[in-house]
Amino acid sequence: QTVVTQEPSLTVSPGGTVTLTCASSTGVVTSDYYPNWFQQKPGQAPRVLIYSTNNKYSWTPARFSGSLLGGKAALTLSGVQPEDEAEYYCLLYYGGARGVFGGGTKLTVL
Amino acid sequence: QVQLQESGPGLVKPSQTLSLICTVSGASISSGSYYWSWIRQPAGKGLEWIGRIYTSGRTSYNPSYNPSLESRVTISVDTSKNQFSLKLSSVTAADTAVYYCASGGSPEDWGQGTLVTVSS
Repeated sequence: QTVVTQEPSLTVSPGGTVTLTCASSTGVVTSDYYPNWFQQKPGQAPRVLIYSTNNKYSWTPARFSGSLLGGKAALTLSGVQPEDEAEYYCLLYYGGARGVFGGGTKLTVL
Repeated sequence: QVQLQESGPGLVKPSQTLSLICTVSGASISSGSYYWSWIRQPAGKGLEWIGRIYTSGRTSYNPSYNPSLESRVTISVDTSKNQFSLKLSSVTAADTAVYYCASGGSPEDWGQGTLVTVSS
C-alpha cells in the first residue's frame, strides 16, 4: 500500500515562512506525480491551492508556492497570515491515474 | 466554474450498498474533457481518495480506484442527467464519512460534501 507522508503539525509566527513537505513511500517525488496542495478549514470543503507541483489558481494567494525539494513535494508559505491557519493536504497521482492523499499537516499560526 | 452537489441516503445499514449521486451544473459532462472524482473524510480524520473517471465528449473511460476500495467501488457517469455516481458495496462502520464529489484534474471544484453514516 502506497503511503504519502506529511508533517502532522507545524507552528509558524505571523509574517514568518514555513515549508510543508509531502513524501512518497515509493521513493522520490517528481513532477510526474502531479503534486497538488489543498487547504481545508474547519467545516469547509478542501480548496486546491497548487496543482502540478508549482502552478497556482487565480484564487491562490501570492504567498503560497509549490516546489520539489529534497525528493519531496513542498508547499512554502511566505509572510504567513493568521487566516492561513488550517489543515493542508497534498495529493499525488501514481501512474497519472490513482491518487493518494497525504495525512495532512495542521498549521498553527501563533 | 463547475458547481457540484452530492445527494443520497444519509444512513446506510452495514453490508448494504452506499449510493451517492453528484449533480453537475455550470458544465456539461457530455462536452469537453473532465475528471470526475469522489473523495471521503471520516470525522476528525484526513482525506481519502476513492476514485475518478475521465470523460471526453460522450465517451467515458475506465475509472481509476483506490486499491484498498477497488473491489467494492463503482464510479459511473450519466450524461443524460449531467450526473456521476458512486456505489460502495458491503459497507461497514469504517465507511462512515463525509463524501465529496469533485471535478477537474486537481480536482479544483468540490461539492459541499454529504455525511453518510453506516449503522444498523
